[in-house]
Amino acid sequence: GQNIDQPTEMTATEGAIVQINCTYQTSGFNGLFWYQQHAGEAPTFLSYNVLDGLEEKGRFSSFLSRSKGYSYLLLKELQMKDSASYLCAVNPGNTGKLIFGQGTTLQVKP
Amino acid sequence: ETGVTQTPRHLVMGMTNKKSLKCEQHLGHNAMYWYKQSAKKPLELMFVYSLEERVENNSVPSRFSPECPNSSHLFLHLHTLQPEDSALYLCASSQDLGGGANVLTFGAGSRLTVL
Repeated sequence: GQNIDQPTEMTATEGAIVQINCTYQTSGFNGLFWYQQHAGEAPTFLSYNVLDGLEEKGRFSSFLSRSKGYSYLLLKELQMKDSASYLCAVNPGNTGKLIFGQGTTLQVKP
Repeated sequence: ETGVTQTPRHLVMGMTNKKSLKCEQHLGHNAMYWYKQSAKKPLELMFVYSLEERVENNSVPSRFSPECPNSSHLFLHLHTLQPEDSALYLCASSQDLGGGANVLTFGAGSRLTVL
């Protein structure tokens, strides 16, 4: 079957660093995505990894290990506006039909 | 307008009603999707259209009926729904259907409540 696991909730402090993990077991692998979704808003694209390693984009970085079926999203210098749900999704093939995890709700506290 | 626009943002309907959700994208994308988002559950893919042809129907009950009249518009027609169908319905589009880096652009969703 297809399965993507991520923690349901996380809490962190403003200015700190937080790592959101995602593990996956899928029939195939053609890339992993991270999306951010603020309450009541559209999910927005954050990052895409298809090769092993770290991709950095400003305060956000995403890491992939294909052999371990594992990814994480690293958020540095947390800001209050980073409070949101973070969705991990895998493209198992070549059809663009993503499989999503349930999302991790991050609460940033002052 | 830019991006993906969904209307209405909120909808309350009885089980015997018929209503429709509308999605419009101004990105020139060729693929459009309907996803269902329920609390504490992963996004569930419902329907996929590529160049106005339906290419995926993920075992969705027939009380949900999609329509894609052109590459910019997507509808989800609803009739005789059940309370468990209450959820956020998200529309998305992407440049094409294939390829690994197939980034989805989502609308803000239509929050549906079935009484």
